[in-house]
Amino acid sequence: EVQLVQSGAEVKKPGESVKISCRASGYTFTTHYIAWVRQVPGEGLEWMGIIFPPDYDIKYSPSFHGQVTISADESTTYLQLNTLKASDTAMYFCARSMVSTGAYDLWGQGTMVTVSS
Amino acid sequence: EIVMTQSPAILSVSPGDRATLSCRATQSISSRLAWYQQKPGQAPRLLIYGASKRATGVPARFSGSGSGTEFTLSISLLQSEDFAVYFCQQYNDWPRTFGQGTKVE
Repeated sequence: EVQLVQSGAEVKKPGESVKISCRASGYTFTTHYIAWVRQVPGEGLEWMGIIFPPDYDIKYSPSFHGQVTISADESTTYLQLNTLKASDTAMYFCARSMVSTGAYDLWGQGTMVTVSS
Repeated sequence: EIVMTQSPAILSVSPGDRATLSCRATQSISSRLAWYQQKPGQAPRLLIYGASKRATGVPARFSGSGSGTEFTLSISLLQSEDFAVYFCQQYNDWPRTFGQGTKVE
């Protein structure tokens, strides 16, 4: 089955960091970009950045650059959130870009990160 | 950064109605626009890409149109399962950006 499976929910304290994962299966991992998207509860979607696994080409949104790190290995993409704040409490989705367009045709189930003292 | 603005924020309709959602970009994005549907507790689902192409498995009652800076998502004969939040997204430029969403209720 073609799917993206994300790691489980995390609860962290302010100032800590967290690394969440997105494992791809059922398709050739190296032929698609993987993006990360944030959604604060009750709000919209925010594009954070994207990685192209074959050459690890990475692009970040200026809104998140320096605050997050995107990486990948054989079939998994990672999002590390640094120096967490309460405002980082959100659902984080990974999403696969279609081969020929920048639309996201496959999404992970989301990972909830809660930052609370 | 290209800003995507959706209207209205909330669209009140009834089953069987036609819904028309708008999305505007601050600069031309050609046809590099996607529409997503999101239901509570779920990940977004791709409906439309290339402004007017339906994604695999998307019912024909969903249609997209527009190019440049003005885009429309139409849902004909609304079904109960269509009540959700809809987002547009441009992929013409970096960073990719989403609209703030339209809730169809």
